[in-house]
Amino acid sequence: SAVISQKPSRDICQRGTSLTIQCQVDSQVTMMFWYRQQPGQSLTLIATANQGSEATYESGFVIDKFPISRPNLTFSTLTVSNMSPEDSSIYLCSVEFGNEQFFGPGTRLTVL
Amino acid sequence: SQKIEQNSEALNIQEGKTATLTCNYTNYSPAYLQWYRQDPGRGPVFLLLIRENEKEKRKERLKVTFDTTLKQSLFHITASQPADSATYLCALSYSGAGSYQLTFGKGTKLSVIP
Repeated sequence: SAVISQKPSRDICQRGTSLTIQCQVDSQVTMMFWYRQQPGQSLTLIATANQGSEATYESGFVIDKFPISRPNLTFSTLTVSNMSPEDSSIYLCSVEFGNEQFFGPGTRLTVL
Repeated sequence: SQKIEQNSEALNIQEGKTATLTCNYTNYSPAYLQWYRQDPGRGPVFLLLIRENEKEKRKERLKVTFDTTLKQSLFHITASQPADSATYLCALSYSGAGSYQLTFGKGTKLSVIP
């Protein structure tokens, strides 16, 4: 299993600014995943972050908007850049162990 | 296009009864299907995984079935309790282009009434 923490737990930001979300895992993992959960919607995978290589982005998500860092096997950051109200969502990081997906508590972002 | 549907957004059930949640999918050939529980303000928590060659999986009061012909999974909670009230998500796993993929449904909010 894995214990995942995220910072911040929530934030309210102004349009046009950027926010960096941190994700810390208590075990070393090869892949870390970043999801978005918009109100009333399913979890949507943004990107997969591998240590030592560039993140792989899903259709509809681009690196300029959601840059990701993966400096080591237990930590990753997701930045939401040049925010607009449409970016208001919960952002979750996740890891996989043995076909089970473990999620962090999420970061609730509100963009005004 | 690929699609996952959970039959209802909300389900109310009397305490002690069996809750049954449905997950249907189209245009997938999933390797396995998972069910998660999500409480308000928390991340999803893994409950059960069932593989494409398995018909049924049980864990305590939980039972999952997987019918690849109907492209459907049923999730049962027997002897339901108010503490079972939460949103339940189904998710499909498959291998695409060499990368791990997990696609979620929107979830069903279950309320167990005392």
